Formats: sequence, structure tokens, C-alpha cells
Amino acid sequence: DGGITQSPKYLFRKEGQNVTLSCEQNLNHDAMYWYRQDPGQGLRLIYYSQIVNDFQKGDIAEGYSVSREKKESFPLTVTSAQKNPTAFYLCASRERTATATNEKLFFGSGTQLSVL
Amino acid sequence: GENVEQHPSTLSVQEGDSAVIKCTYSDSASNYFPWYKQELGKRPQLIIDIRSNVGEKKDQRIAVTLNKTAKHFSLHITETQPEDSAVYFCAATAYSGAGSYQLTFGKGTKLSVIP
Repeated sequence: DGGITQSPKYLFRKEGQNVTLSCEQNLNHDAMYWYRQDPGQGLRLIYYSQIVNDFQKGDIAEGYSVSREKKESFPLTVTSAQKNPTAFYLCASRERTATATNEKLFFGSGTQLSVL
Repeated sequence: GENVEQHPSTLSVQEGDSAVIKCTYSDSASNYFPWYKQELGKRPQLIIDIRSNVGEKKDQRIAVTLNKTAKHFSLHITETQPEDSAVYFCAATAYSGAGSYQLTFGKGTKLSVIP
């Protein structure tokens, strides 16, 4: 079953703790994205990666870090520097080629992060 | 950078009526405008999109219109059904057809269809 998988579904963070959200895709997509969703705020871009070993900051990158060591995986770490981490986090991927116009984003089912 | 405003934030309609959601964007270079639907507890899914070289696009009961001069675009849902109840997000980006893009999303509209 092809798709994009996020885990865990729910995650709790203690003060001062770093936590890592997993995002895995088997769609062979080059581009991957992390969005944060707060009630009434829409989707805001945290980080994105166009290709393995490369990633760029989005609009709200402070307090977050990512890595892209494998095409299939794009984990997001919420560091202790992120003072308001409670939110719903969505990972997405997109097929990216030099000539194809595949703009559609495929989203994971999300991770709800809460602070204890 | 791009700024996308979406209205209304909530919308209630009777089953069978039409629903219209409007978005404005700020960057005149934006040329790709998708709409995503997020049902309660589920992931967002693309329902329709439009490029700047087209003024209108239809897919069964949903349509999107684009006014480049005014920098606004709208989602129209006709003959609404209870399963249309969801949060709808508009988005915009300047997209070259290859390489990178970053979507800027509106804040969403919660549509409730009353049976």
C-alpha cells in the first residue's frame, strides 16, 4: 500500500525535552515537507527538502530541525527551543522531476504533539 | 513573500444549497492555486487546482474561478451534501513547472452542510 506514514499519532513532550516525529514515504517522491497546523491558523511551512541531503527553512523553522539522509525519510525534531510546540504536525511529499508538472501534495495522517 | 487571505472562516449551508469560499493573494507572480479538503480527523487532500492561464475549472459539483487582475480566486460547491462538511484550504505559489515550490495556505474555512 503506497503512501506516506507518520508516527506516532500522539506524542507528549516534557519541558526541556527534544522529541522526533517520523515521516516515511514509499512513493519515490523527491520533495518532502513539514507543516504545522494550529486551530484557525491554516498550514504553516516549517522545513522542506527537494532532494536527499538538502533541506531549506520554511516560514516558522525556529525551534525545529530536520534531516534528509534517505529519500524515504524526513524526520522532524522539535527542540526545547520551541516554546509553544503543541500543535498538529503534517508531513507531505511531492513528485519532483525536471520536466513533470506534478504539483499535488500527498499528506500523512499527522502527529498531535502536546506538552506535559 | 506570499500572503493568502481566506473568507469566511466558517460557513453553514443547507443541504442542496451552494457554498462559496473566497481567497485573495498578494504576490502577482503566483501562478498555481490548489484547494485542499480536510475532513475531521483525516489528512488534507487535493480536490481541485487551477493555473493562472485559465479563468475557470470545473469538476462535477466543484469549480474554481480565478481573477488575476484582482488577485482573488474562489471555490464553488453546488448541490452540497453532508459529506462536503470539512475544512477547506486555499493555497498559492509561484511555480515554474519544475524544481521547487512552496505553497502558502489560507487559514481555512470550516464548511458545515446541514441535512
